[in-house]
Amino acid sequence: GAGVSQSPSNKVTEKGKDVELRCDPISGHTALYWYRQSLGQGLEFLIYFQGNSAPDKSGLPSDRFSAERTGGSVSTLTIQRTQQEDSAVYLCASSLPPGVVGNTIYFGEGSWLTVV
Amino acid sequence: AQTVTQSQPEMSVQEAETVTLSCTYDTSESDYYLFWYKQPPSRQMILVIRQEAYKQQNATENRFSVNFQKAAKSFSLKISDSQLGDAAMYFCAYRKETSGSRLTFGEGTQLTVNP
Repeated sequence: GAGVSQSPSNKVTEKGKDVELRCDPISGHTALYWYRQSLGQGLEFLIYFQGNSAPDKSGLPSDRFSAERTGGSVSTLTIQRTQQEDSAVYLCASSLPPGVVGNTIYFGEGSWLTVV
Repeated sequence: AQTVTQSQPEMSVQEAETVTLSCTYDTSESDYYLFWYKQPPSRQMILVIRQEAYKQQNATENRFSVNFQKAAKSFSLKISDSQLGDAAMYFCAYRKETSGSRLTFGEGTQLTVNP
């Protein structure tokens, strides 16, 4: 697609429920990132996928968070047993592989998650 | 670990005037990229300007320019002829150029443009 596409754009869920957030990166982009942005805060790295390499999961805050990327394209971020502190905007981004001259990371519009 | 610091949580500027946003970073790497992203209320992160560390010349994009001081690890953004549409949160970001690199962001500076 023309840009990074995320869905849903807004999600309200009850505490304890599971949620799935989807990201469709720019066509041809092998690198995919998930970030979290709490209200009024900066961006917190969650996870990074690069091609067929093992993902960098070092930013995931707890084992309730997981992500997968099927076929090297679409990614799903899953939050199990949601808590109120999970309320945030979840931003997905994609780019060409690291090392490509002129490489830039492009962001989607985010998924706003509210846990009530 | 790399860190990025933006010491100005909020800045304001009069329309048509110039404003400079500050950013410092800490790294032991020699090859890396620096970025300024703009985030309006729509939440979309928009790339404003990028700087490759190996380039001595400061990057410029129309009304936006940077002052890159590699030895001092400083990367400030200057916005000239400020416009109402420039009002947004601005994030400075760092990325090393090796396999598996991610963006590390500063805390952000909220810019207000007064008419």
